[in-house]
Amino acid sequence: SFELIQPPSVSVSPGQTASITCSGDQLEHKYVCWYQQKPGQSPVRVIYQDDRRPSGIPERFSGSNSGNTACLTISETQAMDEADYYCQAWDGSTVVFGGGTKLTVL
Amino acid sequence: EVQLVESGGGLVQPGGSLRLSCTASGFTFSNYWMNWVRQAPGKGLEWVANIKQDGSEKDYVDSVKGRFTISRDNAKNSLYLQMNSLRAEDTAVYFCATLGGVWSGFDYWGQGTLVTVSS
Repeated sequence: SFELIQPPSVSVSPGQTASITCSGDQLEHKYVCWYQQKPGQSPVRVIYQDDRRPSGIPERFSGSNSGNTACLTISETQAMDEADYYCQAWDGSTVVFGGGTKLTVL
Repeated sequence: EVQLVESGGGLVQPGGSLRLSCTASGFTFSNYWMNWVRQAPGKGLEWVANIKQDGSEKDYVDSVKGRFTISRDNAKNSLYLQMNSLRAEDTAVYFCATLGGVWSGFDYWGQGTLVTVSS
């Protein structure tokens, strides 16, 4: 079955760039979305269709998808960006989430 | 303002049943695919089921096929999840979420309702 693999954790210093990867077989042929989830809150979509940013999401959030890897990039990372991040794609008509990455801003 | 409000969660014994509801407001409910997504305590997100705008198409994650049934009532702006033969591994917060458009992901989420399966 189709799987999406994310690193369990990523650390970044404030003001630096954070990159979170999501790997899956021939992922470039699928659209990828990314979600941010803070403790005790519902997920928030931050990227859709690989690289599109919903209204209200800061420009420092960007996405890419090539080969077998999609990437969420957060530029000029702020303390408020500390959260769990999940990638998501479709496998036919079903939905698959990655295991999630905890972003720590230290 | 878009709102999705889940209800119906609670404590149930293994093998028992529960029906979750999600009431929508602030948008035209009948225009959207709807989904259930769950999150076990301390774990990641898991998609559970989806249903087409008119209810004519439904799909499920393999682990709930034959046990869970998704349905909707567009006249009541409501989404449902009937859960039968519940197992301990079904313990999770269950979110309802709208599919924003083709390949657009889940743009609105409810606050979730907790289902605990335990004796």
